[in-house]
Amino acid sequence: QSALTQPASVSGSPGQSITISCTGTSSDVGRYNYVSWFQQYPGKAPKLMIFEVTNRPSGVSTRFSGSKSGNTASLTISGLQAEDEADYYCSSSTSTSNYVFGTGTKVTVL
Amino acid sequence: QVQLVQSGAEVKKPGASVKVSCKASGYIFIRYSVHWVRQAPGQRLEWMGWINVGNGNTYHSQKFQGRVTITRDISASTVYMELSSLRSEDTAVYYCARNLDVFDFWGQGTRVTVSS
Repeated sequence: QSALTQPASVSGSPGQSITISCTGTSSDVGRYNYVSWFQQYPGKAPKLMIFEVTNRPSGVSTRFSGSKSGNTASLTISGLQAEDEADYYCSSSTSTSNYVFGTGTKVTVL
Repeated sequence: QVQLVQSGAEVKKPGASVKVSCKASGYIFIRYSVHWVRQAPGQRLEWMGWINVGNGNTYHSQKFQGRVTITRDISASTVYMELSSLRSEDTAVYYCARNLDVFDFWGQGTRVTVSS
C-alpha cells in the first residue's frame, strides 16, 4: 500500500487561508469516507483534527475544515495563526480493512 | 478520561526483538480496536497493524508480515506489539492509537533505537 500523496510544504501569512491536498486511489480515499487529518508538533503524538472527511472533534477550532472530491481529500485552515505551524497528515481506511497515511505536509506561517 | 500509556524507550541490537506495551484506561477496553503506527526520524507516519481487542483477531501491513505480533491482555487493559528481526531501519517512535473508524486517542509514543 503506497502512502497517500500530500504536498511537502504549504505556507501562508497570518489571517490567510491555506489548503492541503491528500491524493489517494479508488481503493482508499475515493472509496471510503473514513478520511482523517492529524496535526503533529515536533516530538509530540498526532492530534485528530478532522474525521470522516468533514467532522471536527470537540475542542478543535472551526477554522479547520475538510472536504473530498473523487480520490482527493483536502484540509483547509482559515484565519491562519502562528500556532497552526506544524506537520499535518491525512489517513484513510483501505479496501483491505487496513489504513494508510499521507506523506505529510509542513505548514509554515510566514 | 481516555488515556493510552506506553512503555519506555528501548535500545536493541540488530536481529533482536522488542515488545512495546500500551495500557488503556478511561473507556471500555474491548469496544475499540488498537492500532500501531510508527514514525522514523524525520519521516512520515506509517501504519503497521491492529488488533480487534474483543476477539483477538489481528491484521498487519504487508510490509511487516511475519515480523510483527500484536496481542492483548484484557485483564490488564493492555495491548502489546512485538517486532522481531530488528534492523537499523526500524529505529522509530512507535505509537498505539485507539480506533473505532477513527484514531481519536494516541499513546505518547515509545522510542525504539536499533544500533550495534
